[in-house]
Amino acid sequence: ETGVTQTPRHLVMGMTNKKSLKCEQHLGHNAMYWYKQSAKKPLELMFVYNFKEQTENNSVPSRFSPECPNSSHLFLHLHTLQPEDSALYLCASSRPPIGVATGELFFGEGSRLTVL
Amino acid sequence: KQEVTQIPAALSVPEGENLVLNCSFTDSAIYNLQWFRQDPGKGLTSLLLIQSSQREQTSGRLNASLDKSSGRSTLYIAASQPGDSATYLCAPSAGTASKLTFGTGTRLQVTL
Repeated sequence: ETGVTQTPRHLVMGMTNKKSLKCEQHLGHNAMYWYKQSAKKPLELMFVYNFKEQTENNSVPSRFSPECPNSSHLFLHLHTLQPEDSALYLCASSRPPIGVATGELFFGEGSRLTVL
Repeated sequence: KQEVTQIPAALSVPEGENLVLNCSFTDSAIYNLQWFRQDPGKGLTSLLLIQSSQREQTSGRLNASLDKSSGRSTLYIAASQPGDSATYLCAPSAGTASKLTFGTGTRLQVTL
């Protein structure tokens, strides 16, 4: 079983649809992240959750709504998106960098989103 | 605001060559720095993590160095193979250990 699993791998939606991306980690980590990767641009951090609490919102539009019900699961709820939101959405997890933990990030395979 | 630059943007080498990928960053107050590889359409695979107190890390044919004061890191790949073809990303943490800032990467192609 892979460490960080994302579903669906591919998603096509219209601008009026509502959909959700799911991320699950099996690594025993307590921090989870959403990143966005657009063509020709660096990865952009969107949200950070530590111990289920949101600790970072990088000025993300409200049409993206994250949810972290527990330390193993992270969702990204999508509604009324724009074509420019088409991108690869990557989930990652890590341990908090306490003691011997390094804070190393582990990524999932990503969800490729296309907004028509 | 941390900015990360990776040079070169693309590189093509014949199999067996040793090569160096460069990464520079503007804010030296980092906690650690990670190197990743990304295959087309896939997620990121962590290659090496260097703590800010370390100078280098090695894993197999890969060696990463860090000069925090000058804002530079290099990834050395020995005896390159076609399977090394991918995009390599450098990501220093910006103060908070796991809040990474990414460059646009170096796209590497190793030819037979």
